[in-house]
Amino acid sequence: DAGITQSPRHKVTETGTPVTLRCHQTENHRYMYWYRQDPGHGLRLIHYSYGVKDTDKGEVSDGYSVSRSKTEDFLLTLESATSSQTSVYFCAIRPTGVYEQYFGPGTRLTVT
Amino acid sequence: DQQVKQNSPSLSVQEGRISILNCDYTNSMFDYFLWYKKYPAEGPTFLISISSIKDKNEDGRFTVFLNKSAKHLSLHIVPSQPGDSAVYFCAASPINFGNEKLTFGTGTRLTIIP
Repeated sequence: DAGITQSPRHKVTETGTPVTLRCHQTENHRYMYWYRQDPGHGLRLIHYSYGVKDTDKGEVSDGYSVSRSKTEDFLLTLESATSSQTSVYFCAIRPTGVYEQYFGPGTRLTVT
Repeated sequence: DQQVKQNSPSLSVQEGRISILNCDYTNSMFDYFLWYKKYPAEGPTFLISISSIKDKNEDGRFTVFLNKSAKHLSLHIVPSQPGDSAVYFCAASPINFGNEKLTFGTGTRLTIIP
C-alpha cells in the first residue's frame, strides 16, 4: 500500500462543467503523475509533478490543468468537461531513485 | 505513434500451464522495462522489472525476458493460477534519473481457465 487516495472515486458531470480530481499521498514523495485509462489506449500520461509548484505536460494534456501547492496533494482540473474526457483517471507516485510508479485506486469520471 | 506495443489484446491459458505475454518497443532510448498487473476497479500494481543490462529477471512464478536487439520483452508466468487473471501492461522508461516518465502498452487481458 503506497498510501495513495483519490477522490472522488466516481463522478458523473455534465458537458461544460469544471471538475477537479484530487490525489493525496501520505509519504511525501516528490514525483506524482496523472494518467487516464481508455480501452485500446492503455495508460496515457496527462501531467506530472516533480515537486511543489513544479509540473509539466504529458502526452494528452489538452483540456487539463494541474496544481501542486503541497507535497501531499496533486489536483487535476478539467476546466470545461467534454464527453471525450469520460475515462478512468489514475494518480501515481514514484519514490526517488527508482523507476517503479505506484498507483492509486482510480476515479471513474463520466461526462454526459 | 505507439512506442510500446502489446499486440495481443487477450490470452487464455489453462491453469497450471505457462502464460507468456509479449511486448515490443520502438524507442531505442528505452532502457528500463516494467510489468504491471491490473484487476477491475483497482489501480495497476507493479509486478516485475528489468534493466537493459540484463536479459532475464525472475521473481517467484514471474520471469521477464528482454531481447534488446529485437526490442522485445516477455513475461512468463509459471504455473498459471486463477488469481493471475487480470490485464497486464508493459511499460518502458529511458534511464535518465530526473523526471522519468513511463510509456505504457495497451494491455493484454489474461484469463486463466480452471
